[in-house]
Amino acid sequence: SQTIHQWPATLVQPVGSPLSLECTVEGTSNPNLYWYRQAAGRGLQLLFYSVGIGQISSEVPQNLSASRPQDRQFILSSKKLLLSDSGFYLCAWSVRDNQPQHFGDGTRLSIL
Amino acid sequence: QKEVEQDPGPLSVPEGAIVSLNCTYSNSAFQYFMWYRQYSRKGPELLMYTYSSGNKEDGRFTAQVDKSSKYISLFIRDSQPSDSATYLCASYLFSGGGADGLTFGKGTHLIIQP
Repeated sequence: SQTIHQWPATLVQPVGSPLSLECTVEGTSNPNLYWYRQAAGRGLQLLFYSVGIGQISSEVPQNLSASRPQDRQFILSSKKLLLSDSGFYLCAWSVRDNQPQHFGDGTRLSIL
Repeated sequence: QKEVEQDPGPLSVPEGAIVSLNCTYSNSAFQYFMWYRQYSRKGPELLMYTYSSGNKEDGRFTAQVDKSSKYISLFIRDSQPSDSATYLCASYLFSGGGADGLTFGKGTHLIIQP
């Protein structure tokens, strides 16, 4: 069966510091991978998605970037965090387009 | 227009009651529909996935899609305190395809009172 892992579960970072969140998927090959941010009262916002190694599409302009160095690894990064980057970050995967997405347990990021 | 609307609640019902959760959408290009359950501080968990109009049943859960009314529902029978969570509906645009075609409602917070 397929599983998705995200870490860390909780992170507290100062403004201006760098960020690296990692997500890995097991039990499937060449999945679509996604990064979302969930803010209270605002629902899930798609940040990035990837259909293959090195292929990244960005949905919104922001202070963040994503990379996919391996087939089942997806990384969310920032060089300098802003207060507005606080939130609940979720990684997800799907077999292909138009198929259900399956989520990890998220990282709660607080910026001080 | 690419929106799925949900009442945020909270919706509070007694244990054992039948729960009805609803979403509406305005764009007829939405073709694939999903319901997710999200517990506090956890990621969303897929409950139901359906494409066609009509009902789909899985245990105590029934998903209903009415494409003519652009209305999707999730029914929970014999509700349990463990069903207390936020329920998110989501839909893919048929013509859009791709990852950016998945649109989420903002979720309904459900409370089952013991």
